[in-house]
Amino acid sequence: EPEVTQTPSHQVTQMGQEVILRCVPISNHLYFYWYRQILGQKVEFLVSFYNNEISEKSEIFDDQFSVERPDGSNFTLKIRSTKLEDSAMYFCASSLTSGGRNNEQFFGPGTRLTVL
Amino acid sequence: DAKTTQPTSMDCAEGRAANLPCNHSTISGNEYVYWYRQIHSQGPQYIIHGLKNNETNEMASLIITEDRKSSTLILPHATLRDTAVYYCIVRVGFAGGGADGLTFGKGTHLIIQP
Repeated sequence: EPEVTQTPSHQVTQMGQEVILRCVPISNHLYFYWYRQILGQKVEFLVSFYNNEISEKSEIFDDQFSVERPDGSNFTLKIRSTKLEDSAMYFCASSLTSGGRNNEQFFGPGTRLTVL
Repeated sequence: DAKTTQPTSMDCAEGRAANLPCNHSTISGNEYVYWYRQIHSQGPQYIIHGLKNNETNEMASLIITEDRKSSTLILPHATLRDTAVYYCIVRVGFAGGGADGLTFGKGTHLIIQP
């Protein structure tokens, strides 16, 4: 069964450093998403991406964040200058469509980001 | 998206049916009911979704009341592996256009007892 994969599984970085989290969505999916979950808190939507551009973003997704689909298979989240409060589990997801049938989002296993 | 209300936690005996309720009294006509679950620290997992008819797949059944103001997710024969946080999410399900994110609440922590 196809699945979303994410690398690395755990990333440790120093405050102020740039990090890139990588995701390989399901191959025929067209819509891509990033979410985060701070330890003990709710899963929060960050951004969605379709047709090579951001479709929707939350208030959390400020200028420190960017997303890119550099090739036909990868989808990345970059945090330009990490802060302590960016420590969280980051989940990538993808879906075939955005509405109606087949719009369920499939999530990856997550990358745990620890900012020291 | 309409707000949902779920119990904080529930217990169910292994092998029995787990029935998880969700209230969504402000749901509008073009909003679907989705269920996801999150097993400890893993990525959320899609379970099922529906608009107004009851739905069944290999994982669960979804029963939506006629007025669509509430729904119940049924896991027919719960196993220990079904212990997880279950999220009921209501969102617009139009095709085409942009991709909207899911709004997760606190969900119901379902504990399957041996």
